[in-house]
Amino acid sequence: RKEVEQDPGPFNVPEGATVAFNCTYSNSASQSFFWYRQDCRKEPKLLMSVYSSGNEDGRFTAQLNRASQYISLLIRDSKLSDSATYLCVVIPNQAGTALIFGKGTTLSVSS
Amino acid sequence: DVKVTQSSRYLVKRTGEKVFLECVQDMDHENMFWYRQDPGLGLRLIYFSYDVKMKEKGDIPEGYSVSREKKERFSLILESASTNQTSMYLCASRSPQGSAFFGQGTRLTVV
Repeated sequence: RKEVEQDPGPFNVPEGATVAFNCTYSNSASQSFFWYRQDCRKEPKLLMSVYSSGNEDGRFTAQLNRASQYISLLIRDSKLSDSATYLCVVIPNQAGTALIFGKGTTLSVSS
Repeated sequence: DVKVTQSSRYLVKRTGEKVFLECVQDMDHENMFWYRQDPGLGLRLIYFSYDVKMKEKGDIPEGYSVSREKKERFSLILESASTNQTSMYLCASRSPQGSAFFGQGTRLTVV
């Protein structure tokens, strides 16, 4: 089993749709989780951290399920500008270790 | 504002050349990373450093070396460039809270 797995998509949705991505991780001791967004030919940028209690930032909601070892990202009221690749990131343990990236899920929002 | 700067956006080098990719961060972070990103393979960790003069191999260190003489600077060296090292190279710096910030990337072509 790969350390961090994501459905590559693409997810093709119309504007205004709600879309959800999941990401599974293999190391049950993983400490920290993030979602990054990457636009075509650009660097990844932090979208949001994922907290145990779940967290929301505007139209975006992130959740963590430790028992099933997955994190999720929900995007409500999709905009054209949400079209990008979304990367799931896991930190296996404490500070001083590398981040493990999923390969990303591609979202395309159309009008 | 957080800043990670890579020395070049685009590079073209010849097979066998020694190539230096430079990365500088202004956030006083201990942890710095070099990744390469290829279509379908996602981000793969080459090397990371958790302190000055300290380094750890990542998943694909073969053909690369690194240097961290100062906290703010992390250099990636391709000892003898080969065509299979044509890729997008991304440097990142990590905050104590765990999230990483990326440079703009260097698109290297080896001919």
